[in-house]
Amino acid sequence: GAVVSQHPSWVICKSGTSVKIECRSLDFQATTMFWYRQFPKQSLMLMATSNEGSKATYEQGVEKDKFLINHASLTLSTLTVTSAHPEDSSFYICSAKKTGISYEQYFGPGTRLTVT
Amino acid sequence: KQEVTQIPAALSVPEGENLVLNCSFTDSAIYNLQWFRQDPGKGLTSLLLIQSSQREQTSGRLNASLDKSSGRSTLYIAASQPGDSATYLCVTAGNNRKLIWGLGTSLAVNP
Repeated sequence: GAVVSQHPSWVICKSGTSVKIECRSLDFQATTMFWYRQFPKQSLMLMATSNEGSKATYEQGVEKDKFLINHASLTLSTLTVTSAHPEDSSFYICSAKKTGISYEQYFGPGTRLTVT
Repeated sequence: KQEVTQIPAALSVPEGENLVLNCSFTDSAIYNLQWFRQDPGKGLTSLLLIQSSQREQTSGRLNASLDKSSGRSTLYIAASQPGDSATYLCVTAGNNRKLIWGLGTSLAVNP
């Protein structure tokens, strides 16, 4: 199998605080992980590509200082939303690509973030 | 720039019907096309992946076709069940492997 987990599954935080979301590949190694954001009734939008041991690559329009990504091991990537605001409320989904030549992405269950 | 469109946006059918979901894309130079299922507030379940060299893939009651030249893919669901109710997403992977997502078709199968 290729199972990806996310923690937490949902989180509520106050405006101005920071929130960390974890993405783990449970039964495979993932050199590359991806972070997506999905607003209601909109398609998934790629935020950044996370590479183990190196800096993440952010998509145009995504603030790297606000969305901190750390991919410290082959099975874990974290996304920290710093100084969260209500407009950051969204569904965050990560995916992981198996180390090697496969390009298929395996998706986590998502994290619902609500900023009050 | 690749654009993926899914029609209809929403569909409601009685249980037992066969149905077709449509996906169109503007750039035929794709690496593959994939159909996902998303349940409300939840993550994604991969249903079928069609490589650019393939014409169709089948899994149980699901059949997905791909016509690169016309920029179209269809997902056929046979004998629909209430448990099939979900949003179905079509996504293309370009030769740069970047995923471009459609907005999805929200399906409701009524018992």
